[in-house]
Amino acid sequence: EDQVTQSPEALRLQEGESSSLNCSYTVSGLRGLFWYRQDPGKGPEFLFTLYSAGEEKEKERLKATLTKKESFLHITAPKPEDSATYLCAVHHRFGLGGGADGLTFGKGTHLIIQP
Amino acid sequence: SAVISQKPSRDICQRGTSLTIQCQVDSQVTMMFWYRQQPGQSLTLIATANQGSEATYESGFVIDKFPISRPNLTFSTLTVSNMSPEDSSIYLCSGGGGNEQYFGPGTRLTVT
Repeated sequence: EDQVTQSPEALRLQEGESSSLNCSYTVSGLRGLFWYRQDPGKGPEFLFTLYSAGEEKEKERLKATLTKKESFLHITAPKPEDSATYLCAVHHRFGLGGGADGLTFGKGTHLIIQP
Repeated sequence: SAVISQKPSRDICQRGTSLTIQCQVDSQVTMMFWYRQQPGQSLTLIATANQGSEATYESGFVIDKFPISRPNLTFSTLTVSNMSPEDSSIYLCSGGGGNEQYFGPGTRLTVT
C-alpha cells in the first residue's frame, strides 16, 4: 500500500496558468511533510516542511498547505523556469520498513510550463 | 541551509567490484541519510548514517551489501559491494536537522 501518493503524475500548463499539485498520505505519527523540486540530473532542492494541519508556507510563486490527510502545492502564475519534478515526502514516527527514520517519497509530479 | 557535495559524480564499474561514494556537508548536521533513485523513479531510503555507530537500514537493504560509515558530523561514505547491473542507479546523500533536509547532487552509477 502506497503511503504517499502524488497527483497528477504529469501536468502541462501555460505560462501564467495557476494550478495545484496534490500529495495524499496515510502514515500515522506524521513528524513532517516535505516538498522538494528536482531538476533533471540534479539532487532534490528543499522547498518547505509542514508539520500540522492548517499550516501554510510560501516561497515566491509557490504555496504549500497541509491537512490531516493531504498537502497541496499551489503554483501561482507559473513561469517556464518553474518546470521541474515536484516531490512530496513524509517523515513519520515509525520507519517504513525498518526504522531508518528518513523520508518516504511519493513518485512526484512532472510539471511543464509552456511559454 | 547546508551544502552537500558527493564524490564521484558518476562512475562505470564492472560486475563484482565495489565502489565507495563520499558525502561531505559544509556544516555539522544532526542527521545524514543515503537514498537510491532508479531511472525515472522516485527516491528510496537505504539507511540512516549514525555518527559513531552502525547505520540503521530500511527493509530490503543490508549492511554487507551497503556498508556505511559516518566518522563525524559532516562526512559519510556509502559502499556498494559486489555490484551487479541491478545496482545501476543514482545514489544520493542527504543531511540536516529534523525540519530541513538537504540533498547532494547524486552519484550516477552504471554497472556493466
